[in-house]
Amino acid sequence: DTGVSQDPRHKITKRGQNVTFRCDPISEHNRLYWYRQTLGQGPEFLTYFQNEAQLEKSRLLSDRFSAERPKGSFSTLEIQRTEQGDSAMYLCASSYRDSSGETQYFGPGTRLLVL
Amino acid sequence: GEDVEQSLFLSVREGDSSVINCTYTDSSSTYLYWYKQEPGAGLQLLTYIFSNMDMKQDQRLTVLLNKKDKHLSLRIADTQTGDSAIYFCAETDDMRFGAGTRLTVKP
Repeated sequence: DTGVSQDPRHKITKRGQNVTFRCDPISEHNRLYWYRQTLGQGPEFLTYFQNEAQLEKSRLLSDRFSAERPKGSFSTLEIQRTEQGDSAMYLCASSYRDSSGETQYFGPGTRLLVL
Repeated sequence: GEDVEQSLFLSVREGDSSVINCTYTDSSSTYLYWYKQEPGAGLQLLTYIFSNMDMKQDQRLTVLLNKKDKHLSLRIADTQTGDSAIYFCAETDDMRFGAGTRLTVKP
């Protein structure tokens, strides 16, 4: 257990539905990342926050995806009008970045299956 | 774009050393990481190395970095069956991961 939690752990939905995932980072961490991982691949970066500010978004993040971190603590990732291609493991990681470096700690992931 | 590449599979016998290799293209990477992922589990940080270092040792793990060739390796000494997992190298300046090397340790 890294201290990063994600909810739910599994989600099955029908195509066209909206889903929302939650990530609770390690409390003193100022950075929070979202990744997507498909079978046989490494994690692909989606977006990250420093405190409550969303600083970078990948081109992979279509306009159906939105992420928030309203108070600089937990974060949500919403996918609207889900498609079968959205089926993947969604990983959250948190870190504290300072002058000595940065180490990301990953949560267990939310596995999404779109039928 | 910038890529991180790894060989997909490695099989060793218990007690032997394992060497997992990784190449990257972003020469500005500040930190390079190795993560371990066991079946059904999240990514576990194993070790990392700063780009101004060429070697780091941590118990059974040795990381070697050749900045000139943009080559990173992870050596696991005295490999055990519990080391069987997928190992990812990553450079986090651009948040890029390799596809992972599946290590199988045979008794």
